[in-house]
Amino acid sequence: EAQVTQNPRYLITVTGKKLTVTCSQNMNHEYMSWYRQDPGLGLRQIYYSMNVEVTDKGDVPEGYKVSRKEKRNFPLILESPSPNQTSLYFCASSLSAYYNEQFFGPGTRLTVL
Amino acid sequence: GENVEQHPSTLSVQEGDSAVIKCTYSDSASNYFPWYKQELGKRPQLIIDIRSNVGEKKDQRIAVTLNKTAKHFSLHITETQPEDSAVYFCAEPDNAGGTSYGKLTFGQGTILTVHP
Repeated sequence: EAQVTQNPRYLITVTGKKLTVTCSQNMNHEYMSWYRQDPGLGLRQIYYSMNVEVTDKGDVPEGYKVSRKEKRNFPLILESPSPNQTSLYFCASSLSAYYNEQFFGPGTRLTVL
Repeated sequence: GENVEQHPSTLSVQEGDSAVIKCTYSDSASNYFPWYKQELGKRPQLIIDIRSNVGEKKDQRIAVTLNKTAKHFSLHITETQPEDSAVYFCAEPDNAGGTSYGKLTFGQGTILTVHP
């Protein structure tokens, strides 16, 4: 089954404790992206990747890191989480960056205390 | 980056009525406009999209219209049903200079409620 998976689905952590949210797709998509969703603010892009070893900042990259060592995986790293990073996070992938449907993962609900 | 304004933020209609959601964008070079639907507790999913070489696209009860002169595009849902209740997002890819840079800007979302 073609899909985007994320893990964990739910995470409660404390300020400053490094964490990684994994994202994987099995559709051989070139483009992958991370978004955060907050009430009233819609979906805001954190980072995106046009292909392996190619990543770039979205609109809200501060406090996040990403890597794209393999085509299928695009982990999101929070080196020192803070409470303002409490949010719902979505990973997405598409065949390429433009003119293509974004396939979203199920989301990760992160709470930073 | 792009600036996408979506209105209204909430929309309440009676079953069977039509619903219209509008997005305004800033980059006149933009040429691809998707709409996503997010049901409660679920992930966003593409429901319809349009490219700038057409002014309207329909898929059963949903349609998207594009006005490039005014730089806005709208989602139209006819004969609304309770299962249309969801959050709807428009989006605009970054198209600076006609080359995709990979950024994708979403509107703020519209909460549509269809009352039976």
